[in-house]
Amino acid sequence: QKEVEQNSGPLSVPEGAIASLNCTYSDRGSQSFFWYRQYSGKSPELIMSIYSNGDKEDGRFTAQLNKASQYVSLLIRDSQPSDSATYLCAVEIYGGSQGNLIFGKGTKLSVKP
Amino acid sequence: DAGVTQSPTHLIKTRGQQVTLRCSPKSGHDTVSWYQQALGQGPQFIFQYYEEEERQRGNFPDRFSGHQFPNYSSELNVNALLLGDSALYLCASSLWGQNTEAFFGQGTRLTVV
Repeated sequence: QKEVEQNSGPLSVPEGAIASLNCTYSDRGSQSFFWYRQYSGKSPELIMSIYSNGDKEDGRFTAQLNKASQYVSLLIRDSQPSDSATYLCAVEIYGGSQGNLIFGKGTKLSVKP
Repeated sequence: DAGVTQSPTHLIKTRGQQVTLRCSPKSGHDTVSWYQQALGQGPQFIFQYYEEEERQRGNFPDRFSGHQFPNYSSELNVNALLLGDSALYLCASSLWGQNTEAFFGQGTRLTVV
């Protein structure tokens, strides 16, 4: 049974701080990893994808992947109240298409002004 | 360019009834995946359709079935509804064989009473 684990939070950080979100996965053969943001009552929105060990930066967001430790993280720098949402870690289950994903339960982030 | 569209947005059904949810993928996409998201949980993969065939399936009973049409749109059918089927049903579209982003529709909120 492939699993993705996340701390459900809530994680509360002050505005301007760095938010750190973590995720572990069970299938050592997994190759593709994603972070989605989901506002309450809305559908998930892709923030970052990462496929290789190391860091990947996009604006205020940095994804980190460590396949040996089966660990993925997301850092949000200069956090804003608009970043308050649930962040979902996802791992591709099968090859062929990015549409088949296993998700963690999500970490709820609250950024306080 | 229309994104992923789902219908209806909300639906109330009685236990034991059958329901059909619909999804039109993003223009240019040929693969549709369906997810169930219970309150406070991450989305769970139901199945994925490409070339009008079910390609992968998650851990869902046979009461859940689907179809993909030649224009790539898709339907999710659930028979003999249970109270536990109440959830947000999400459709994601993507391009088969390509390492490109999967886009989610806004979802259908199904309530079983």
